[in-house]
Amino acid sequence: SQQGEEDPQALSIQEGENATMNCSYKTSINNLQWYRQNSGRGLVHLILIRSNEREKHSGRLRVTLDTSKKSSSLLITASRAADTASYFCATKAAGNKLTFGGGTRVLVKP
Amino acid sequence: GAGVSQSPRYKVAKRGQDVALRCDPISGHVSLFWYQQALGQGPEFLTYFQNEAQLDKSGLPSDRFFAERPEGSVSTLKIQRTQQEDSAVYLCASSSQLADSYNEQFFGPGTRLTVL
Repeated sequence: SQQGEEDPQALSIQEGENATMNCSYKTSINNLQWYRQNSGRGLVHLILIRSNEREKHSGRLRVTLDTSKKSSSLLITASRAADTASYFCATKAAGNKLTFGGGTRVLVKP
Repeated sequence: GAGVSQSPRYKVAKRGQDVALRCDPISGHVSLFWYQQALGQGPEFLTYFQNEAQLDKSGLPSDRFFAERPEGSVSTLKIQRTQQEDSAVYLCASSSQLADSYNEQFFGPGTRLTVL
């Protein structure tokens, strides 16, 4: 079963706008990761935030983590048409596997 | 190749047929994972190998699913007597270190299985 939920399920924005999506999870984690999946392609790792971190940046991406609320957010600034994809959060607890959310489908209109 | 490769990319099977899906991880990667992704959903964990040892198969949905990695590199996911509910994309991922560390999993393009 999926670890948690992502919100919103779908998001449509204009190029240049920011896109924000949220992820909630249920159990204690070691880290939380965000992945992007384009149509017909595999998952691409975007960014990892550890459980003792609160915020992390990578290029146009900003991730926050609130372990007290068991939630994370991903912000994509100055979006581009190429950012159109599905975005998934994935949590890693003790052990080996990743547990993914249901994803947010983002459409960036040129 | 530089990445994880999977074959075939697409597979159509009649209900009841057996299928075998192959994963070639990145050379030297210790850990290998299989995930199942239903349409419109996130991937769900199936099984995990550390070298040739299958350390976690808790996600395999039934005894019709079997995975192996006999020499610690290439892995095969076999589904016996396929059912329509097995239709999904099967993703393989590998990572360079033991999975308990903060390491990235690299995913292949997946095999889209359609069971008629």
